Amino acid sequence: KNQVEQSPQSLIILEGKNCTLQCNYTVSPFSNLRWYKQDTGRGPVSLTIMTFSENTKSNGRYTATLDADTKQSSLHITASQLSDSASYICVVILWMDSSYKLIFGSGTRLLVRP
Amino acid sequence: EADIYQTPRYLVIGTGKKITLECSQTMGHDKMYWYQQDPGMELHLIHYSYGVNSTEKGDLSSESTVSRIRTEHFPLTLESARPSHTSQYLCASSEYPVDALYEQYFGPGTRLTVT
Repeated sequence: KNQVEQSPQSLIILEGKNCTLQCNYTVSPFSNLRWYKQDTGRGPVSLTIMTFSENTKSNGRYTATLDADTKQSSLHITASQLSDSASYICVVILWMDSSYKLIFGSGTRLLVRP
Repeated sequence: EADIYQTPRYLVIGTGKKITLECSQTMGHDKMYWYQQDPGMELHLIHYSYGVNSTEKGDLSSESTVSRIRTEHFPLTLESARPSHTSQYLCASSEYPVDALYEQYFGPGTRLTVT
């Protein structure tokens, strides 16, 4: 079964600290992996997109890594800010039934405290 | 900033009512999508469209229906709302299919509560 599992489910950190969110997937065949940020009551916004041949991608203070061999990805947030408080969703794209499908993780809810 | 809009943002309605959730985008995208998301849970695709007069059901079975008679407009309709329809509904669009490394832009969502 194609699955995307994220950990931790929720995380609280102090402003200015770094944190790393994990994503493990059992999706095959894999096309690309995306990390989204979803503020409460809003739609997701894309942070990074990586193919299986890329193992790191940065977007400002956000750095995503991908290990296609172990089927693991991580999102590292540097020098966290209060505005980083949101849900972070890992999405894996696969080819299935003659079309591309998006498999969403349930997200990690991050709270940054002053 | 994505130019994709959803109305209403919040809706509380009684059982048995007919409702239409509006979604429009000004980016000229051919591909549009509807997702359903329960609190704290993952998004599930319920409908998609690859262009005018094209609609398909997604991975999650839904009693809702959609139409696409204009490129920019992709409304979702529930003929008879039930409490089990209570959820957040997110609309999205993309210029290319999601296999290409292009963005899928999401609207702000409609939070529906059926009492």
